[in-house]
Amino acid sequence: GAVVSQHPSRVICKSGTSVKIECRSLDFQATTMFWYRQFPKKSLMLMATSNEGSKATYEQGVEKDKFLINHASLTLSTLTVTSAHPEDSSFYICSASRGRDNQPQHFGDGTRLSIL
Amino acid sequence: KNQVEQSPQSLIILEGKNCTLQCNYTVSPFSNLRWYKQDTGRGPVSLTIMTFSENTKSNGRYTATLDADTKQSSLHITASQLSDSASYICVVSAKSSASKIIFGSGTRLSIRP
Repeated sequence: GAVVSQHPSRVICKSGTSVKIECRSLDFQATTMFWYRQFPKKSLMLMATSNEGSKATYEQGVEKDKFLINHASLTLSTLTVTSAHPEDSSFYICSASRGRDNQPQHFGDGTRLSIL
Repeated sequence: KNQVEQSPQSLIILEGKNCTLQCNYTVSPFSNLRWYKQDTGRGPVSLTIMTFSENTKSNGRYTATLDADTKQSSLHITASQLSDSASYICVVSAKSSASKIIFGSGTRLSIRP
C-alpha cells in the first residue's frame, strides 16, 4: 500500500530554534499534502493544505510566518516551525493524497516536537 | 456549520466481544466518509471510505455503514482483539471548491484481556 514517510519522528530542542519536518510520499505522486497538529487525547487539527508548486492554504488561526510550508515536488513537503517556543510542543502529522475526492489520505507516523 | 460528532468518547470491552462506534455528521455537500484507526503515537491508518451511494463497506473484522439520509455512520468491530485498542476517527469530506475535510474527535477503544 501507499507509504508516507515523516522525518524526524521525535525532536527535542531549545526555545528559539527553528525545526524542519519532512513528509515524503514514497510510492505515489502526492498532488496535495496536509499538515496537522494533534494535542494529547484530541483529534487531528488541520493546519494547512499544500499543493505542489503553489502556496499553502492555512486554516484560520494558524500563523503562516510561524509554520512555513514548502511543497516543492510531488513527493516532498516540509513544515518548518520557526523560532519554536514551548507552546509549539505537539504531535505534528502530515498526510498525502493524490488529490481526488475519493482517494484516501495516507498519513505519516507523526513527529513529536518538544521545545524546552 | 460542518461538524462531525463521534460517540462514545471512550469504550472498554473484553477481548472477543463485538462493538459499534457511531459517527453523526452535518457536512454538506457530502463527498465521502472515512474511518481511520490511530494507534497511540502513530499516524492514522485508513480502514474504509464510502461515498454517497455506498451504505456498507468491510475491511476484515471492520464493517462500516453509512446512512446518507440520516447522516449517520457506524463502525462495527467483530471479535475484538487486543490490537484493536486504538482511537477510531471518523472523517467527512465536503464537496466544495475548498474540498473541506472535517475530523471527528475520535473514540478511544480499549480491549481488555
